[in-house]
Amino acid sequence: SQTIHQWPATLVQPVGSPLSLECTVEGTSNPNLYWYRQAAGRGLQLLFYSVGIGQISSEVPQNLSASRPQDRQFILSSKKLLLSDSGFYLCAWSVLEGSGGYTFGSGTRLTVV
Amino acid sequence: GDSVTQMEGPVTLSEEAFLTINCTYTATGYPSLFWYVQYPGEGLQLLLKATKADDKGSNKGFEATYRKETTSFHLEKGSVQVSDSAVYFCALGGNNRLAFGKGNQVVVIP
Repeated sequence: SQTIHQWPATLVQPVGSPLSLECTVEGTSNPNLYWYRQAAGRGLQLLFYSVGIGQISSEVPQNLSASRPQDRQFILSSKKLLLSDSGFYLCAWSVLEGSGGYTFGSGTRLTVV
Repeated sequence: GDSVTQMEGPVTLSEEAFLTINCTYTATGYPSLFWYVQYPGEGLQLLLKATKADDKGSNKGFEATYRKETTSFHLEKGSVQVSDSAVYFCALGGNNRLAFGKGNQVVVIP
């Protein structure tokens, strides 16, 4: 069966520090991978998506970047965190056109202080 | 582009009450439609889906019907429980992406 792992679950980082959040998928090949951010009391904002190794599409200009070094690994990074980067980060995967929907990870709660 | 609109504001209701959350969409083509649920502190879980017009998705007592004529996919449950308290997101799928609504916080009071 397919599973998605996302870690860490919670993270408190000082302003200006780097960030690395990792997401891995098991039990499927060549998934579409996504990073979303959910700010407090707000909806989901798509940050990045990837349809293959090394292929990253960015949805909004921001302080973050994403990489896909392996087929089932998706990493969200920042060189210097801002206060506004605080939020709940969700990784998700889907197959093909997403007609089967997404499967989400359990999320990372990031607080920048 | 494709988009989803959910009714504004949280929904507060008593246990065993009837729940409706409205969702309308704008899309080209024939997308799939989804409802996701997010319990406190967790990621999103797929609640139900419908892949074509007039399909009805159902799960855990929740239902939603894909209405092409009204471009809607309203979520309903006949008798809610305290455990249904969560945030509910409507979503529209296609082209390797899902477009999400802003979500509705549902609070069920005992």
